[in-house]
Amino acid sequence: EADIYQTPRYLVIGTGKKITLECSQTMGHDKMYWYQQDPGMELHLIHYSYGVNSTEKGDLSSESTVSRIRTEHFPLTLESARPSHTSQYLCASSEMSAGPNEQFFGPGTRLTVL
Amino acid sequence: KNQVEQSPQSLIILEGKNCTLQCNYTVSPFSNLRWYKQDTGRGPVSLTIMTFSENTKSNGRYTATLDADTKQSSLHITASQLSDSASYICVVSDRGSTLGRLYFGRGTQLTVWP
Repeated sequence: EADIYQTPRYLVIGTGKKITLECSQTMGHDKMYWYQQDPGMELHLIHYSYGVNSTEKGDLSSESTVSRIRTEHFPLTLESARPSHTSQYLCASSEMSAGPNEQFFGPGTRLTVL
Repeated sequence: KNQVEQSPQSLIILEGKNCTLQCNYTVSPFSNLRWYKQDTGRGPVSLTIMTFSENTKSNGRYTATLDADTKQSSLHITASQLSDSASYICVVSDRGSTLGRLYFGRGTQLTVWP
């Protein structure tokens, strides 16, 4: 099992609340990613990072923001959660070496916004 | 447009039986293709990876094939077990980006009954 962790695993909150989804990895990977996955649908990349102080938006537009202050930590924040944000959020990491490398996924956070 | 299509969408088989899952892709330029297993409520875990020059790769009871000419891949599961119940996701990487962009299929939901 990959050394990548996400907390909380499940979160139910009310509309308008600010939330932060945590993601940490102990593999020393430079690249980190956030994906959004709805039931029966493919994963969509919403944010990624090449390393410390690097953050980029992914293919799917998202109202969330991310930060990368430390190599091992890549938190995702929603300033004001809405029911449309209800989804599963998966964090992943991979090595920096050239070309596509295996991405190791965390267990995910299932978010429900009421 | 880069796409990954999987079939069937869902499949139910009896324990001990074999099954084959299909993946067609249009991702170009092609780098590699992975099959991931995603248990319910968990992150995806890589089963196999194949590059352009490989046409078969095995991992225990899982055997993946790749036909780069027709852009098709299959995942064959032999002597299925109850623990094989999961979503199987076909993921294709392109050679065009240093990010290692992944294109995900929607997965085949496999259920193994006793």
